[in-house]
Amino acid sequence: EAGVTQFPSHSVIEKGQTVTLRCDPISGHDNLYWYRRVMGKEIKFLLHFVKESKQDESGMPNNRFLAERTGGTYSTLKVQPAELEDSGVYFCASSRDRGEKLFFGSGTQLSVL
Amino acid sequence: LAKTTQPISMDSYEGQEVNITCSHNNIATNDYITWYQQFPSQGPRFIIQGYKTKVTNEVASLFIPADRKSSTLSLPRVSLSDTAVYYCLVGDSRTGRRALTFGSGTRLQVQP
Repeated sequence: EAGVTQFPSHSVIEKGQTVTLRCDPISGHDNLYWYRRVMGKEIKFLLHFVKESKQDESGMPNNRFLAERTGGTYSTLKVQPAELEDSGVYFCASSRDRGEKLFFGSGTQLSVL
Repeated sequence: LAKTTQPISMDSYEGQEVNITCSHNNIATNDYITWYQQFPSQGPRFIIQGYKTKVTNEVASLFIPADRKSSTLSLPRVSLSDTAVYYCLVGDSRTGRRALTFGSGTRLQVQP
């Protein structure tokens, strides 16, 4: 069974540019989560999808971040325009049911210069 | 959601048992306790989850006292490959609401 995959693994962009991160959850997992760790800080929740619906987006830092999950399969997280403080590692996780353990991807290392 | 407190780091030697304790004084009735392991350049990986008393699986045991204000992850006979960061999370598993933060975690270093 394939795990959660994230693309790209690394991204280096300049301040003001746009970046789109992609997450492919494990097949059959309706729940998809985005987390991030910015430099020196803890891993923090961003949002939670159940299929294509946003269940909880309370962790999204501001309106420069847009997450989508069209069709309830893969998800994208767009940052537009990127700022220096957006640098960090963005993790995606999925689970079959809400009460089950999360499976995490390896993350996308985002560097905004 | 309940905040968790763990030791920043721990050292051990191969073959020893390691116990990592997490404090969660404000745990709510519906909250479960979950532990994750993270290696460098990888995402966190689920280790074990419990609600009360003791839970054991093939890799670890989780001890939760009656008041549930703390929990202890026990790793039997650690090896070098157990060197990682271990996170304790507390949240309501039933609603799917995950802990908003992983906390600082405990960095375990296993020596030969």
